[in-house]
Amino acid sequence: AQTVTQSQPEMSVQEAETVTLSCTYDTSESDYYLFWYKQPPSRQMILVIRQEAYKQQNATENRFSVNFQKAAKSFSLKISDSQLGDAAMYFCAYRSAGTSNTGNQFYFGTGTSLTVIP
Amino acid sequence: EPEVTQTPSHQVTQMGQEVILRCVPISNHLYFYWYRQILGQKVEFLVSFYNNEISEKSEIFDDQFSVERPDGSNFTLKIRSTKLEDSAMYFCASSEWAFAYEQYFGPGTRLTVT
Repeated sequence: AQTVTQSQPEMSVQEAETVTLSCTYDTSESDYYLFWYKQPPSRQMILVIRQEAYKQQNATENRFSVNFQKAAKSFSLKISDSQLGDAAMYFCAYRSAGTSNTGNQFYFGTGTSLTVIP
Repeated sequence: EPEVTQTPSHQVTQMGQEVILRCVPISNHLYFYWYRQILGQKVEFLVSFYNNEISEKSEIFDDQFSVERPDGSNFTLKIRSTKLEDSAMYFCASSEWAFAYEQYFGPGTRLTVT
């Protein structure tokens, strides 16, 4: 079974600084997707960034980028120029790249609570 | 932007009671999911639902749980006889198709069983 581990329950960063959230996963599959979701307090989880395992290039979305190390099964999220609105719980997630009606559930880590200090 | 909504945001119930958690997925989405997160633990998959039937369920989703799409908009999770260990945050999600990149999540319902 796939497992996702986030070893940092809490992180903090000064506004305008850079922070990196860690995520490791375990799988025997070769094709899959990895995600970072952000959940502000009492709000929906929203997708921050996605990485396809077959792509060597690290995904980037504005101030958010990932460091995807497939061999090491590591998928960290870097937030540059941190803003107060970045404060949230961040979840790392894994999903198989299957094409059937089954096996498409997400596997999540326990989350990292990010505080942004003004 | 369309959102998945869930009601209520917080439900308190006594052990042994039945609860129904409600979700309104995004209107053109075909696949629906329930996940739960016990405090301090991982978000765990419960069940996926498509074409008015369960596509897949986890071992957590035992006979105490059921899902239903009673009309064209709502998607519900029923827990027949709640236990203390059912206390958790329950997330509903939907996606356009089975292997869509993204699942869209609701804000969750916090269920407290006393």
